[in-house]
Amino acid sequence: QKEVEQDPGPLSVPEGAIVSLNCTYSNSAFQYFMWYRQYSRKGPELLMYTYSSGNKEDGRFTAQVDKSSKYISLFIRDSQPSDSATYLCAMKNAGNMLTFGGGTRLMVKP
Amino acid sequence: GAVVSQHPSRVICKSGTSVKIECRSLDFQATTMFWYRQFPKQSLMLMATSNEGSKATYEQGVEKDKFLINHASLTLSTLTVTSAHPEDSSFYICSAWRGGNEKLFFGSGTQLSVL
Repeated sequence: QKEVEQDPGPLSVPEGAIVSLNCTYSNSAFQYFMWYRQYSRKGPELLMYTYSSGNKEDGRFTAQVDKSSKYISLFIRDSQPSDSATYLCAMKNAGNMLTFGGGTRLMVKP
Repeated sequence: GAVVSQHPSRVICKSGTSVKIECRSLDFQATTMFWYRQFPKQSLMLMATSNEGSKATYEQGVEKDKFLINHASLTLSTLTVTSAHPEDSSFYICSAWRGGNEKLFFGSGTQLSVL
């Protein structure tokens, strides 16, 4: 079993829809949680960073962490075609090694 | 703007030649940088951890003599693919921690094509 599980998709939604992306993890030592967006042939871009359970909002993006269930989510409101990309969840303990999910490919259709 | 700069973005070379990829942290010092490899539609695969002033730590299965890493300063790490072959063709990405290991930033990646 992988430490971090993420549905690879692809996830196809119409423009304007609310998107929910999720990851589960098994290592209870993970303390810091991140979401990255990666466009094709580009490096991942840090979208959200959080270290506590609960919600964190930034514009159209909301990151949610439930440490008791070992489950994190990224919500995208009013999705746009420009949101079409691969979304990677990532997490770590107190050290400097980040563990990534496999990524979910999102397609937002106009 | 970008906090990690990676060059070149794309390189095409002949089989047997060596290629150097540079990764620079902008406006911050990075004692540790990471090098990844990514195949189409697959996730990032960690190749090695680059430590300033010391030898890199390679992941299992990564040939250290083929993928030479030099982290000579606090803002620059280089990956040299030696005697490149077509099977080395891939997307290579570097990353660096900023702000006390809290946020990991990535370079824009290098697409290597070996003919």
